[in-house]
Amino acid sequence: GAGVSQSPSNKVTEKGKDVELRCDPISGHTALYWYRQSLGQGLEFLIYFQGNSAPDKSGLPSDRFSAERTGGSVSTLTIQRTQQEDSAVYLCASSLDGAGGVETQYFGPGTRLLVL
Amino acid sequence: AQTVTQSQPEMSVQEAETVTLSCTYDTSESNYYLFWYKQPPSRQMILVIRQEAYKQQNATENRFSVNFQKAAKSFSLKISDSQLGDTAMYFCAFMKGVYGGSQGNLIFGKGTKLSVKP
Repeated sequence: GAGVSQSPSNKVTEKGKDVELRCDPISGHTALYWYRQSLGQGLEFLIYFQGNSAPDKSGLPSDRFSAERTGGSVSTLTIQRTQQEDSAVYLCASSLDGAGGVETQYFGPGTRLLVL
Repeated sequence: AQTVTQSQPEMSVQEAETVTLSCTYDTSESNYYLFWYKQPPSRQMILVIRQEAYKQQNATENRFSVNFQKAAKSFSLKISDSQLGDTAMYFCAFMKGVYGGSQGNLIFGKGTKLSVKP
């Protein structure tokens, strides 16, 4: 079946503009994660969704970052008033909601964001 | 807080040889999981192998195996019969045990860039 998809693949924006990044998880996966990968900070967790709710937003770096998930499927990560330090690869992952334990997270190819 | 350390930023190995990538972690949790992910230039993170901390037996997946030393908090990855397609960044990751069906986020090390040379 289809894997996790993300769009756009690459995004160049000007400082101060808002951007939206999209993630389509694997069909049937109820858990969805956003991570950020940058040269300086490595891979950082941003937010976790279980269905449409976000029980863990602890990784969002500032209030300029927000995310939503609708219909228990597609998720959008929004960055308002982008700054140059927001430049990174944004990775999305999804997994089953395993009542029996930890489920493997499957990753998308990421969106490379460059803020000029 | 949990931390994951990969002390080898870069490694290289000749095709068909064996290489071991190191990973150590720090946690006070008793229930947790460890993973190795591979990230080729395409950027797609691919699960290589996983280990449940409560299992004493080391996980193996074909040419990939781990050496899990719980007391030492060490989780190294051994790649046997290295192939050109193994060239990638390798990330070690930690996840706390979860309860009641909820899932948890991964905590990653900084990665090791592995080059397999012909």
